[in-house]
Amino acid sequence: GENVEQHPSTLSVQEGDSAVIKCTYSDSASNYFPWYKQELGKRPQLIIDIRSNVGEKKDQRIAVTLNKTAKHFSLHITETQPEDSAVYFCAAIWSGTASKLTFGTGTRLQVTL
Amino acid sequence: DADVTQTPRNRITKTGKRIMLECSQTKGHDRMYWYRQDPGLGLRLIYYSFDVKDINKGEISDGYSVSRQAQAKFSLSLESAIPNQTALYFCATSDTRDRGDTQYFGPGTRLTVL
Repeated sequence: GENVEQHPSTLSVQEGDSAVIKCTYSDSASNYFPWYKQELGKRPQLIIDIRSNVGEKKDQRIAVTLNKTAKHFSLHITETQPEDSAVYFCAAIWSGTASKLTFGTGTRLQVTL
Repeated sequence: DADVTQTPRNRITKTGKRIMLECSQTKGHDRMYWYRQDPGLGLRLIYYSFDVKDINKGEISDGYSVSRQAQAKFSLSLESAIPNQTALYFCATSDTRDRGDTQYFGPGTRLTVL
């Protein structure tokens, strides 16, 4: 199966600064990498995803980059705001069985004023 | 809005009791999943189903069973609950027509086993 490692486990940034969360995966055939945001007491919600035929994808202040050779992908949040404070999970799909996601252990992002 | 719902939202039970957690969805998705979330461990897959007649074990299925009663309903049972099954449980869905890999989560059920 797939193994996904996520770092850091906690991240504190000042409002307006950038935040970067990194994940590595083990299965070189994985081809789908979503990022989920989970606010306190809420469900995980997809914020951005990337497929292995693309190196970078942006959506306003968030972007994801993928390095297939190194088997890692990263979430970048620019101009952070207090509402960005949440736990972020990366995931990778199992190449052998469509739709099975393996999640990283999460990064708790705190944006301070 | 099409959504994924879970009942109950909170449950406290005792060791040895049988518990059922229910998941319903109005998204029209064919694929459904049960995950468990523990602090520091992320989300781990318990069972998944790609259609009504399809049930598959995930990475941590021991002590759990599931039933796919209809395309829109997927239930998780703990036959004899134990304290280390205390966790937050999420149901999720995805749609084969949309590649099947983007998953949408329900609001979660917080289960406490005393």
